[in-house]
Formats: sequence, C-alpha cells, structure tokens
Amino acid sequence: GAVVSQHPSRVICKSGTSVKIECRSLDFQATTMFWYRQFPKKSLMLMATSNEGSKATYEQGVEKDKFLINHASLTLSTLTVTSAHPEDSSFYICSARGQGRPDTQYFGPGTRLTVL
Amino acid sequence: AQKITQTQPGMFVQEKEAVTLDCTYDTSDPSYGLFWYKQPSSGEMIFLIYQGSYDQQNATEGRYSLNFQKARKSANLVISASQLGDSAMYFCAMREGLGGATNKLIFGTGTLLAVQP
Repeated sequence: GAVVSQHPSRVICKSGTSVKIECRSLDFQATTMFWYRQFPKKSLMLMATSNEGSKATYEQGVEKDKFLINHASLTLSTLTVTSAHPEDSSFYICSARGQGRPDTQYFGPGTRLTVL
Repeated sequence: AQKITQTQPGMFVQEKEAVTLDCTYDTSDPSYGLFWYKQPSSGEMIFLIYQGSYDQQNATEGRYSLNFQKARKSANLVISASQLGDSAMYFCAMREGLGGATNKLIFGTGTLLAVQP
C-alpha cells in the first residue's frame, strides 16, 4: 500500500516550452500532496503544498506563475513548469500524505527534468 | 525556526557491521515527528522509520532503529547488519506538530552511506 507514481520519469525539453509532471496516489486518497525540488547531491527543498480543490501554498521564493500546481482530484496533482529555462533543470519529487499514524509522506519516484 | 542537521556527508561501513547515522534537530514546538528516508541512486525516497516526540520507546523497524535522545535533540539512525543494498543517501527529516493536513517536512542535507564487501 501507499504507492505514489510520477510521470514522466525523465523529460528533456527546449528552453521556453512548458512541461507537465503528474503525481498520483495509486491506492489511497490524498487530500494533500507536496512538491519538492532536489539539486544534484543536495537535500530536498519543499516548493509547494498542493491541496485538493483549493489553491496551492507556495514556499517563499518559489514563483507561483512559473510552477503551476493543480490538485484536481484526491489522487492526482500536477506540476507544470512554464517557459522552462536551463536553470529549471532539476529532480522534482512529489509526495502524498498517508493516513493514520505516523502520518507519513510517501514519495513518488521523481522526475528528472533537463531543459536545453 | 526548525532545523535539521546531519554532520556526516559520507560514511563507510563493512558489510554485516552496524552503522550509526547522526541527526540533530532544533525546534521550539513540543510536538514533532522525526523521520528517516533512504534515497538509492535511482532517486525514490523510501520511508524507513518514524519517532514521535512523545513516544516513550525508541522506534524500531527490522534492521533499523532510531536512537532518540530528546534532551540532546538527537535522532540517530542505527542500521544493524549492513547489507550491500543499504548503500544509498539517507535523509533525516522533521515535521513540527503531530499531524495536520499541511504540516511540512524539513530535510537535513543527507549522509551518503557506502557499504563495503
């Protein structure tokens, strides 16, 4: 149980294009999902908290208009990187809050984005 | 502000030996949760073990145990009988509060563990 998937696992795009990343909770409902960014050999940095049916809560310094988050259902949240630039190249990981103790976050396998 | 510190960038351990990965934390909230995650080279974050601030006993999950010393604000991960498959990055994380829909996880900088045959 508590499986989270992400699609795609890898994506290469041209500078200026937009890329959508999907995060799905496969066997449980997740009212809250989280989006993280991880640079090589660095820790995870929380970008935003995605709430089903409402606007996402962004962390300080994260551009809302650049990283669009939509949490349209209890099992799906999407992150769209708009007008991508090479500096947006990174590893993006989502997580979904599980239910019950210890209220653990279960992570997806991550998406490696490369912007050329 | 809450903070997680992992002072060991990398560790070596011989196969079948035990290893301790250090983690200290700082928070003013009396209610919090501490987590350890494993990240292999493939990138996925694997939940290992959890300790709540009010838990009386140290958490254990198979070969993983958490040495929780509340007064010292430390939550070290102990891996017993190391296996080659344990080679990975290990992250300590903290969440203030014991629940709640949007409580965030703050991660440490990680420790890269290499298990040698």
